[in-house]
Amino acid sequence: DGGITQSPKYLFRKEGQNVTLSCEQNLNHDAMYWYRQDPGQGLRLIYYSQIVNDFQKGDIAEGYSVSREKKESFPLTVTSAQKNPTAFYLCASSPRGLSGANVLTFGAGSRLTVL
Amino acid sequence: GDSVTQMEGPVTLSEEAFLTINCTYTATGYPSLFWYVQYPGEGLQLLLKATKADDKGSNKGFEATYRKETTSFHLEKGSVQVSDSAVYFCALSQKQYGNKLVFGAGTILRVKS
Repeated sequence: DGGITQSPKYLFRKEGQNVTLSCEQNLNHDAMYWYRQDPGQGLRLIYYSQIVNDFQKGDIAEGYSVSREKKESFPLTVTSAQKNPTAFYLCASSPRGLSGANVLTFGAGSRLTVL
Repeated sequence: GDSVTQMEGPVTLSEEAFLTINCTYTATGYPSLFWYVQYPGEGLQLLLKATKADDKGSNKGFEATYRKETTSFHLEKGSVQVSDSAVYFCALSQKQYGNKLVFGAGTILRVKS
């Protein structure tokens, strides 16, 4: 079955450490996204990529970095510069289409806790 | 910028009760509107969508109508089940911004048997 795989599901990090969250999709989607979810705040966009080797900052990109070297992969690195990294991180993908109405498919999420 | 406002939760209902979750939006253009649902410990999945004014999206007994005059997209279900317990997110996207979704804060629904 096609879908999005995020790993790890749970991750613990010490302050000052970088950590990378994996996101892989086999849906042949061009566009991929990273969202952060905090209680009571909905989802906020961190980074998105509409095509390989290109990506743009979302609303809360500070302290995060991404790469898009392959169509199926969009890893997110949470750096030590991110002041409040404890959150639930969701990866999504969609066809590239320009209608604005394309549906996003989400992964199951990765929960990062900073100790 | 564009924004979505949802009614605060949690909403607690008894099984077979009628459900309404309010959603209003602010947008400069003509957005597409969505409801996504998140079950405990999982990612989000699309529940329904509407792409233009007066469209009605429906799925699994849930419905929502795109009301341009009131900038609303309220979610309704006639008879909820315990299995409907989840977090519901209203969202919008616009053509000029690609497929970036702008989400509301989410509404927790708890259904008691």
